[in-house]
Order: sequence, then structure tokens, then C-alpha cells
Amino acid sequence: GIQVEQSPPDLILQEGANSTLRCNFSDSVNNLQWFHQNPWGQLINLFYIPSGTKQNGRLSATTVATERYSLLYISSSQTTDSGVYFCAAVASGTYKYIFGTGTRLKVLA
Amino acid sequence: KAGVTQTPRYLIKTRGQQVTLSCSPISGHRSVSWYQQTPGQGLQFLFEYFSETQRNKGNFPGRFSGRQFSNSRSEMNVSTLELGDSALYLCASSSSLAGGSQETQYFGPGTRLLVL
Repeated sequence: GIQVEQSPPDLILQEGANSTLRCNFSDSVNNLQWFHQNPWGQLINLFYIPSGTKQNGRLSATTVATERYSLLYISSSQTTDSGVYFCAAVASGTYKYIFGTGTRLKVLA
Repeated sequence: KAGVTQTPRYLIKTRGQQVTLSCSPISGHRSVSWYQQTPGQGLQFLFEYFSETQRNKGNFPGRFSGRQFSNSRSEMNVSTLELGDSALYLCASSSSLAGGSQETQYFGPGTRLLVL
């Protein structure tokens, strides 16, 4: 089945810094999403992005499907951005989301 | 529009018991998926239902089962609980308008299960 890998596993930033999180996937995908998991466990949708580029405020994401990777950019980070960021992909022809192991982000004031 | 709801939010059981968790999808959504999250294994796919049919299943033992009702609400059941079943169980729904998987999944708040 499809493998989803995320890097880096951990990231510590000073407030105001920018960061790039990466997600590699091993097969063609129908669906790719980025999520932020808050301290209570809720998975919050950030982007649905099987290909192309999207922006939402300080966050943006790019997926290059032909090269099988996706990037999540966080600019001017804030302490509220802390948490775990997951990408999840659905391989073509299937209906199951495979999650990466996540990037744990801590933003220091 | 109300989001995905899961009940109960917290549950404590003992080994050998069984448990049933419930998930109500966003109104109009027909696909419901279940996931298990543990510190050691991360987020793992359990199964996905669409129009009362299971379309995909993850690599879990037969003690884990689920079903979907005609109103798209779903339940999952774990029989003969083991300590290792302690986890956060998340469900997600998507509209799956054309029966495909190319739509956003929305997650519920999860059920935290502790097995003693």
C-alpha cells in the first residue's frame, strides 16, 4: 500500500519565524489533505490539495503530484500554531486515508 | 451545519469487555471512516463505509467491526477488549457525491477509550 512520510518529525521555532513541512507519498493519489491536531485531539482541516497550490492566510500548501510530495508553509508563526501537523493521502483506486507520522511543531513566544 | 459528532467522548472499560462507539456524520455526507490513534502506532485507518457498505478495511483483527445505517450514522464495535486497544478513536465523514474519494474529510472530536 501507499507509504506517507513526513519531515521533520519535530520543529521548534521562535514566534515570527517561517517554516516548511514536507510530506512524501509513494504512489499516485486521489486525495491529499493537511491537518492540524490540537491539544485535545481534534483534527482540523487545513487544506484539501491533491495537486496545485492553495493559500489561506499565513498558511499555504503545494502538492506536486508527479513528484509525489506536498509542502505546507507556515509564515510568521504564532504560539497558537503549536501542535502536530499531519498529511494524509488516499491512493488512487482506494478509499482509505493513510496518515503520515506527523510533524510536532512548537512555537516559542 | 453541525459537524461530525461522536459519542461517548470518554470511556473506561476492562479487559474482555466489548464497546460500541457511535459517529454521526455531517448532514448529507454518505461516507464515514474510522481511525485509531495511539502514541506508538500513530493514526491508523480502520474501515470506511459508504451507503451502508464497507468499501475498505485496514489491518486490524476481526474484533474490530463496524456498520453504517441508512441515515449514514455509523457505529464501530470492539469485542474482547485488550489493554492495547486504549486509544483515541476518530471518525470522519465526506460527501463522496460521486462515490469517490476525492473530497475533503471532516473529523469528529474523537472518543478516548481506556482499557484497564
